[in-house]
Amino acid sequence: EAEVAQSPRYKITEKSQAVAFWCDPISGHATLYWYRQILGQGPELLVQFQDESVVDDSQLPKDRFSAERLKGVDSTLKIQPAELGDSAMYLCASSFEPNYGYTFGSGTRLTVV
Amino acid sequence: AQTVTQSQPEMSVQEAETVTLSCTYDTSENNYYLFWYKQPPSRQMILVIRQEAYKQQNATENRFSVNFQKAAKSFSLKISDSQLGDTAMYFCAFMKHTGNQFYFGTGTSLTVIP
Repeated sequence: EAEVAQSPRYKITEKSQAVAFWCDPISGHATLYWYRQILGQGPELLVQFQDESVVDDSQLPKDRFSAERLKGVDSTLKIQPAELGDSAMYLCASSFEPNYGYTFGSGTRLTVV
Repeated sequence: AQTVTQSQPEMSVQEAETVTLSCTYDTSENNYYLFWYKQPPSRQMILVIRQEAYKQQNATENRFSVNFQKAAKSFSLKISDSQLGDTAMYFCAFMKHTGNQFYFGTGTSLTVIP
């Protein structure tokens, strides 16, 4: 069964350092999402891509976060510099028809120390 | 703005019994979609069931069914014949008909007791 691949699975970084997460969506899924899930809360959208274009990044803290999907396939989410409050699970998801739901990856659990 | 509320942070159920997870939402939209996702420990979120707001018939998927009350803005999930593999965090989610962003609740942690 096709999966959304994410790496790394876990990341520990010191505050003020840079960190990057990678996502490879299911082949053929034009829509790709990055969500952040803080412990005890539901996931919240950070950024949405349609092919290589950003559709919605209104909730992305642009002073420190950036995201790209250069060839409309895999995507990278970067944080620079990392802050203690960035500790969370970062989920990538992709979809062919979003109204039918997404396929989520296993996530990257980030701990900032 | 859309908000989703799950008022039961934790629940438990005996194996083979039935359990109902509650979800309410607030929206001014008339057409939308509602979902339940399951997140097992250390694993990815999996779609459990989906409901279209313009359909009155409640969705069912094997042991999983929903009670969708549009006027009350309520969308509960019933799990019948609970199995150990149902132990997970369950998230209720809302999506506008014209959009494709999920609005998630805070989740209900369900434990199935053998």
